[in-house]
Amino acid sequence: KAGVTQTPRYLIKTRGQQVTLSCSPISGHRSVSWYQQTPGQGLQFLFEYFSETQRNKGNFPGRFSGRQFSNSRSEMNVSTLELGDSALYLCASSLAGGGSSYNEQFFGPGTRLTVL
Amino acid sequence: QKEVEQNSGPLSVPEGAIASLNCTYSDRGSQSFFWYRQYSGKSPELIMFIYSNGDKEDGRFTAQLNKASQYVSLLIRDSQPSDSATYLCAVNSPTDSNYQLIWGAGTKLIIKP
Repeated sequence: KAGVTQTPRYLIKTRGQQVTLSCSPISGHRSVSWYQQTPGQGLQFLFEYFSETQRNKGNFPGRFSGRQFSNSRSEMNVSTLELGDSALYLCASSLAGGGSSYNEQFFGPGTRLTVL
Repeated sequence: QKEVEQNSGPLSVPEGAIASLNCTYSDRGSQSFFWYRQYSGKSPELIMFIYSNGDKEDGRFTAQLNKASQYVSLLIRDSQPSDSATYLCAVNSPTDSNYQLIWGAGTKLIIKP
């Protein structure tokens, strides 16, 4: 079974630009969660999508948004990029995600975003 | 504010010894507990999960859960240099209408040859 895929793997942008990251979950998984990871900050939860609906949301500004398509693929968008948005963005796939008391998540390789 | 606490380390353990990693959580309603391993520059990899009180063993790894004391631990027997990584504890906690994984900041483990 193929794992979680994320594209692109690396991205360099300048302040003020916007960016769209893509995530394809494991086949059969309907939940996709997005995280931001910076050195020393740990995993910061952005949001979770399940069946095209945002189910949970973290404490990030409205510049961070996402969506999920009918095939469970998800995209995350960051508008008006700031230097502090430089991070590893991780997507995690789960069968039922937050709808389950189990919620095992499997991560993709991540997209490393650098904002100059 | 639901919290998951881990000692940031680094925790230095000689090769062949037992590495013990600990995690405490604040929400008594938490249902499931996960340990992830993350190598530098890579994404987290799920290595163990536990749902019930007690011990769960998988090869050299043992997860221990004590819901009364609200802690979960990971033991790594016969530690190898390849076990050197950051270990993340995650706890599935109920929200108003569903569940959300709450993450610890991770413990950096160094296995010394």
